[in-house]
Amino acid sequence: ETGVTQSPTHLIKTRGQQVTLRCSSQSGHNTVSWYQQALGQGPQFIFQYYREEENGRGNFPPRFSGLQFPNYSSELNVNALELDDSALYLCASKPREKADTQYFGPGTRLTVL
Amino acid sequence: AQSVTQLDSHVSVSEGTPVLLRCNYSSSYSPSLFWYVQHPNKGLQLLLKYTSAATLVKGINGFEAEFKKSETSFHLTKPSAHMSDAAEYFCVVRTPYAGNMLTFGGGTRLMVKP
Repeated sequence: ETGVTQSPTHLIKTRGQQVTLRCSSQSGHNTVSWYQQALGQGPQFIFQYYREEENGRGNFPPRFSGLQFPNYSSELNVNALELDDSALYLCASKPREKADTQYFGPGTRLTVL
Repeated sequence: AQSVTQLDSHVSVSEGTPVLLRCNYSSSYSPSLFWYVQHPNKGLQLLLKYTSAATLVKGINGFEAEFKKSETSFHLTKPSAHMSDAAEYFCVVRTPYAGNMLTFGGGTRLMVKP
């Protein structure tokens, strides 16, 4: 077990709606990243938060946003959902002293109809 | 820009035979490379990592990978496949900017026949 949990496990939304996905990391993991994994593809980096500030972003539009909280939890928010947003969303956390070791959660499966 | 290419989308082996999963990378920097495994309904698990130390890297569950700069390759091997090795495997390169983001290859599905 990685100690990273995500909720909900599965989610179904309709096009145009908004969604919030949640991640809970281990204590001391002050960096969290979010990835989108479309069916049959490798995960793609969305963004990363360090000490509650975004410090890196992949090629995703602004309707993908996030928050990180002092209690090592975080959120991924997606506005104006599109059909192509259907994917597995993964969060990963790491402690500051282990820059190369990320711990992934099991993911949230989002389906947009 | 950093990228990885996994040369096989599917690999099928018999239990007890060797495993070879191929990965080529492209990097503007001295790369940090990883192999991750993804079992159904489970999170990604780190198998091994190369970060400019020994070129032959040993990981968990008997897997190892060799970094070959001249060939820009980082192939994953295991001498003898086990049924529990059946999963999706990802070759990954770390980008030392944009928050040290990980760039994943497209994945290789390993099937192990009894």
